[in-house]
Amino acid sequence: DAGVTQSPTHLIKTRGQQVTLRCSPKSGHDTVSWYQQALGQGPQFIFQYYEEEERQRGNFPDRFSGHQFPNYSSELNVNALLLGDSALYLCASSSDGTDNSPLHFGNGTRLTVT
Amino acid sequence: LAKTTQPISMDSYEGQEVNITCSHNNIATNDYITWYQQFPSQGPRFIIQGYKTKVTNEVASLFIPADRKSSTLSLPRVSLSDTAVYYCLVGEESNYQLIWGAGTKLIIKP
Repeated sequence: DAGVTQSPTHLIKTRGQQVTLRCSPKSGHDTVSWYQQALGQGPQFIFQYYEEEERQRGNFPDRFSGHQFPNYSSELNVNALLLGDSALYLCASSSDGTDNSPLHFGNGTRLTVT
Repeated sequence: LAKTTQPISMDSYEGQEVNITCSHNNIATNDYITWYQQFPSQGPRFIIQGYKTKVTNEVASLFIPADRKSSTLSLPRVSLSDTAVYYCLVGEESNYQLIWGAGTKLIIKP
C-alpha cells in the first residue's frame, strides 16, 4: 500500500519562473493539504483540497495555487518565484469524514530558487 | 486555534525514557492533541493522538492531565534512531490549518 508520493524530490528554479509540484495521496485518502517548511521551522499550511476544490487556505499570496484531480492527486503551482520561496514543500493526505484523521505526509519536494 | 509551547531542544541517552511536555493553555473542548515526528529531509510522521487521560501505542505514550492544558509525550527506552524533531499540535477536525511550532529537537547520545 503506497503512502503519499511527491515529485520531483528536488528542484532548482530561477527567480520569476513558475513551478509545479505533484502529489499522490495515500490509497483510500481523498483530502490533500500542502505545507511549506523553511529550514529549522515547522510546516506552514498553504491550502487544502477536497472534492477538487480548495477548502481552506493559509496566509499565502495568490502566487500559490493548486488543483486536485478526480483521482485525488494534487498539484501545487507557484508563479513568479521569489528567493524566499526556497523551502521543503510537503503534501499530506487524510480521509475526510474520519474524526481527527491524522495526516500522512510525503517526503516533500526541496525547491531552491536562485 | 490553540497554540502550543514546547522546549526547543532536549538531550538524552540511549535506553533512557524521554518525556517531552507541551503546553496548550487555550485548548478548546473539541480539540485533540496530536504528536508528529520528523527526521531531516522527510515529512512528519504521526506518532500518537489523544483527547484526555492516557493513550499508549507501540511506540509512545501520551499523558494528558484533567485540565488538558498540557500533555506529555513519553518515549520508552530511546535509541539513536529516535533523534528527530517532535511536534505537538492541538486542534479539532474542522481546524484544517493546524499551527505548527518549531517543535522539540531531541538528540539521543550513545
